[in-house]
Amino acid sequence: GENVEQHPSTLSVQEGDSAVIKCTYSDSASNYFPWYKQELGKRPQLIIDIRSNVGEKKDQRIAVTLNKTAKHFSLHITETQPEDSAVYFCAASKGFGNEKLTFGTGTRLTIIP
Amino acid sequence: DTAVSQTPKYLVTQMGNDKSIKCEQNLGHDTMYWYKQDSKKFLKIMFSYNNKELIINETVPNRFSPKSPDKAHLNLHINSLELGDSAVYFCASSPGGALQKNTEAFFGQGTRLTVV
Repeated sequence: GENVEQHPSTLSVQEGDSAVIKCTYSDSASNYFPWYKQELGKRPQLIIDIRSNVGEKKDQRIAVTLNKTAKHFSLHITETQPEDSAVYFCAASKGFGNEKLTFGTGTRLTIIP
Repeated sequence: DTAVSQTPKYLVTQMGNDKSIKCEQNLGHDTMYWYKQDSKKFLKIMFSYNNKELIINETVPNRFSPKSPDKAHLNLHINSLELGDSAVYFCASSPGGALQKNTEAFFGQGTRLTVV
């Protein structure tokens, strides 16, 4: 089955700096890669996703890049703000029908004011 | 007007008891899931149902029995609770369906189960 690895497990950055979180996946058939943000005591919520026919996607301060050949994808957050502090999860699935999401192990991001 | 709602939010119970967690979604989705999040925050799928039918069972002990009376509901019953069952359990739903291209999962608020 699919295996998703995520690094780093914890990340602290100064407010205003950029943060990068990286994931690798094992199943070359995976073609849907969402990122979820989970604030303390809350539910995971989708912040951005990318499909395999696209190499990069951007939404304001958040961007995701995908390298299908190397089977890795990354989340980039620019101009970080205190409210960006949360646990971030990457995930992968085959993207069609009833395919489950396989999650990475999470990255606890702390923005230092 | 919550999209995916689960009850209760907190559940404290003794070892050996049987308990249930309920989940309902009003998004019209075909697929529903149960995920377990342990103390290290790992999110692991337990079950997936599509239109009331079980499609994924990820090596979960048979003390855990999901039930889907209709496609808007997926309940989780746990028998003979053990200390190691303590975790946050998340229900989720997604559009599903063989021709769907959208696999975005919407999560409920979670149920924090503590077994003492």
